[in-house]
Amino acid sequence: GEDVEQSLFLSVREGDSSVINCTYTDSSSTYLYWYKQEPGAGLQLLTYIFSNMDMKQDQRLTVLLNKKDKHLSLRIADTQTGDSAIYFCAGYSGGYQKVTFGTGTKLQVIP
Amino acid sequence: DTGVSQNPRHKITKRGQNVTFRCDPISEHNRLYWYRQTLGQGPEFLTYFQNEAQLEKSRLLSDRFSAERPKGSFSTLEIQRTEQGDSAMYLCASSPLTGMGETQYFGPGTRLLVL
Repeated sequence: GEDVEQSLFLSVREGDSSVINCTYTDSSSTYLYWYKQEPGAGLQLLTYIFSNMDMKQDQRLTVLLNKKDKHLSLRIADTQTGDSAIYFCAGYSGGYQKVTFGTGTKLQVIP
Repeated sequence: DTGVSQNPRHKITKRGQNVTFRCDPISEHNRLYWYRQTLGQGPEFLTYFQNEAQLEKSRLLSDRFSAERPKGSFSTLEIQRTEQGDSAMYLCASSPLTGMGETQYFGPGTRLLVL
């Protein structure tokens, strides 16, 4: 099955850019996702990228995919205190009918 | 439709008791998933339904766990003879059968505490 790894913690100052990184093992992953989870809440889908894309931009969010290195990143421009949450990277490989999640990166935004 | 809903949001029970959680997916979504999330971890897949058929079960789903989706709409997850290790957040998600990947929409979760 797929393994998805993320760094555990990131701290940035309000207004700076945040970059959250993720590596995955299954080269057949067709979709890769970023989810946000606030304390005590479920997961909110932020964005996703199809494996034949290198980049996707959605307002303040930029997703970069390096398929050769199996590396995915999420850049949040002009990070706000409301962006403080845990961010999960996840991959879908089609045949397994399920999505595999990383352990999450806790983003702390310092005012 | 405001999204995936789950009930109850919180459940405290004593070890050995049975508990049942309910999930109501987004109405037009054919696929429904249950995940378990423990503190500091990402969600772990438990089981998956396409309409009323349970198509996949994780080895995490011991025989004390059973899930149903009798009419292809809402689903229930029952845990019998609960153990302290069952304490976790139980998340439900749904997705449409569109062939556009497994873009899953999550409910708020049911937090279970087994004393």
